Formats: sequence, structure tokens, C-alpha cells
Amino acid sequence: AQTVTQSQPEMSVQEAETVTLSCTYDTSESDYYLFWYKQPPSRQMILVIRQEAYKQQNATENRFSVNFQKAAKSFSLKISDSQLGDAAMYFCAYRRANSGGSNYKLTFGKGTLLTVNP
Amino acid sequence: DGGITQSPKYLFRKEGQNVTLSCEQNLNHDAMYWYRQDPGQGLRLIYYSQIVNDFQKGDIAEGYSVSREKKESFPLTVTSAQKNPTAFYLCASSVLGTGGREQYFGPGTRLTVT
Repeated sequence: AQTVTQSQPEMSVQEAETVTLSCTYDTSESDYYLFWYKQPPSRQMILVIRQEAYKQQNATENRFSVNFQKAAKSFSLKISDSQLGDAAMYFCAYRRANSGGSNYKLTFGKGTLLTVNP
Repeated sequence: DGGITQSPKYLFRKEGQNVTLSCEQNLNHDAMYWYRQDPGQGLRLIYYSQIVNDFQKGDIAEGYSVSREKKESFPLTVTSAQKNPTAFYLCASSVLGTGGREQYFGPGTRLTVT
């Protein structure tokens, strides 16, 4: 079974600084997808960024980028120029690539609570 | 606007009562999902459905039931058999097929059972 581990229950960063959130996963699959979701105090889950395992290039979305290390099964999220609105719980998630059945299931880590200090 | 709606936002029930949580989407997505979130935990999959009139159990289906009579709707019933029903419940939907199809989430329902 796939597992996702986020080893940092809480992190804090100063506004305008950079912070990196860690995520490791365990899978025997070679093709899969990885996601970072953000859950602000409103509790709405919002997709931040997505990475396809077959792509060597790290995904980026504006101030958000990932460091995907497939061999190490590591998928960290870097937030640059942190803003007060980035304060949220961040979840790393894994999904198998093959379509059909339970392959659509997302497996989540337990989350990292990010605080942004003004 | 396309999206997923869940109602109500807060729900209170007495122990021993069944309760149904609503989830509606107008994204024309084939797949829908129900997750449970507890403090300090990630999301755990309860049930999912890929097509009308069909659904499968997720990791923690015991004490829950679902139906999928319409593509747009996927209600979740928390039965009296669920030992710890107090939690935050999130509904999600996605397209099917190959590709990194992310799931889109509703705003959630906070259920409190006393």
C-alpha cells in the first residue's frame, strides 16, 4: 500500500521569506502523480501544484515550486516570497497513474501547518 | 460558476440517529468521492463512485452508506453503526481517464454527534 509522510507537523516563516515543506512517499509503482493541496482556515481544499512522476522537470506555479526526487521518493514544496495568505495546512497527496478502479484514490499525508509571521 | 456544494456547513445530531450529508457538483465530472478528516490526520477515503448507480468502498467505509442516482449528486449517510462520527467531511469530484486528474473539493460539512 502506498503511504505518504509529512515529517513536519508545523512550520513557520517570515513574510517575504522562503520556506520548504517536506514530503516522502512509499510506492512500488513507477508511474504516478503527486499533489500539494492547501487548506486555509476556511477548510476549503485548494490544489497548489501537481507533478507527474514521468516528468523530470520540477513543476512550478508562480511562487510555488517542487523538488521532486524520484529515486529518493521525495516531493518537497518551496514557497517563495511568503505572504500572509499562504498560512494554511498543506497536504501532500499521491495517486497511481493507471486509470480505473481504486487507482483514482488519493492518499494523503497528515499535513504541515504553516504559519506566516508579519 | 462551476463547483461543488456541500450542505449544511455545520450539522448536529444525537447519537443513534442516521444523518445524510449532501454533495452536488455542476462540473460534469464522472467521479465523486467522500473523505473524512480528523484533527491531526490527513484525509481518508470513505467511498467513491465513477459512474451513476455504482460506487466502491474506500479505506474506512464501515458505518457509512452512499448512493449515486444522478451524476451531479453523491449523498453520504452516516449511520448509527459508525462508532466515531464526529468529524469534518469533504466531498470531491474529478474527471476520469488518463492524466493527472486532480480532485476538486467542496467546502465541507462539520458533523458533531453528541
